[in-house]
Parts: sequence; C-alpha cells; structure tokens
Amino acid sequence: DVQLVESGGGLVQPGGSLRLSCAVSGFTFSSNWMSWVRQAPGKGLEWVANIKPEGSEMHYVDSVKGRFTISRDNAKNTLYLQMNNLRAEDTAVYYCAKIYSSSGYYDYWGQGTLVTVSS
Amino acid sequence: DIQMTQSPSTLSASVGDRVTITCRASQSISTYLAWYQQKPGKAPNLLIYKVSSLETGVPSRFSGSGSGTEFTLTITSLQPDDFATYYCQHYNSYPITFGQGTRLEIK
Repeated sequence: DVQLVESGGGLVQPGGSLRLSCAVSGFTFSSNWMSWVRQAPGKGLEWVANIKPEGSEMHYVDSVKGRFTISRDNAKNTLYLQMNNLRAEDTAVYYCAKIYSSSGYYDYWGQGTLVTVSS
Repeated sequence: DIQMTQSPSTLSASVGDRVTITCRASQSISTYLAWYQQKPGKAPNLLIYKVSSLETGVPSRFSGSGSGTEFTLTITSLQPDDFATYYCQHYNSYPITFGQGTRLEIK
C-alpha cells in the first residue's frame, strides 16, 4: 500500500524556521514528482511546491519563494520542506502529495501536519 | 496565473439527487483538470483527472466533462458518503491552482 507520512509540524514564532518531512513507502519514490500542498484553517487548498524525481528542478508558489525550499532524499524515500522566515499567513495543514507520473495531479496524499505561526 | 472559480460555493441537496458543480478557468487549460473530494479533517481524495477520467475505485456516479475554460463535476444519485467539499485543480502550468471549493451539504 502507498503511504505518505508527514512530520515536523508544530508551533513556531513569526520569523522562525521549521522543517517538514514526508516519509513514503509503497511506490518507487525516486521515479515520481512530489509536491507540498497546504490548507489554512477553514480555507481551501493551495499548492506550495513541486520537485522533480532527481531533485534537479523545483517550482514554488510566489508567496513562499525565497523562504521555503523543497528537497528530497531518494535513498531515504523522504521529501522535505524547509520553511524559513515564517509568517502568520503560513499557518496551515501541510500535505505532501504524490504526483501521478509527471502529470501534475495528485493520486496519493499524506494525512497532513499542522504548522502554526504565532507569538 | 490561472484562476479557478467554482460555483456554487455551497450546494444543498438530498440523497438520490443529481448535482453539478462548475469550475471555470481564467484561461484555457486544455484537459489538465482534476477533481478532489475532501471530508473534514481528512486529506483530499482524487476523483477525476484529465477532465473526465475516473480514478480507480471511484464510483461511477461521479463524472466530469468540459474543455478549455469550463468544466463540470456531476454526481448522479447522491449517497450519504458524498456530502463533502469538492475542489477542482488545474495542472496546465505553474502555478498550479485550485478552485475555492464547493461544500455539498444535506438539505
């Protein structure tokens, strides 16, 4: 079975940093584009970042460019999101998601990890 | 950026009803459109990709149609398990964007 398990969320002060992890199993991680998608409390879904299988190409939503870095360790089957200079508006549940082939839509999602940015 | 606009934002319906949710893109996205269902406290679940292709395991009462800038998700004969929030998503180009969601509630 495909599994994606996020961790690393929590409470952080504005301006602080946090690193999210997503451990995957049940599919060939190194062959798949991966993504982070977030959802602020009571709001809709917002795409955050994508990364190519080899880790050589990344894309970000404008609001996180220069602050967030998506990366992956294919040997550890783990996806990461390094979040720096966090703002209150980054408060959300962060989901990691597997992209089907190189299509752009998500066929598997993790359960999410909550990041709260507050003083 | 391509904006995705769903309508209605909220839809009240009864078990057995047929409902349609519309998603409009601010510019053509060809057939790069997916639909997801999300229940409270849970991750989204893929229903349809490439406008009308049903994901494996999704009941056939769900269907999608459209092209270019206007798309629809139709659910025939609503079941109790279908009351949830639905999102469209384009994957034509970056940035990927979602519609704001349509909450389907029991009348």
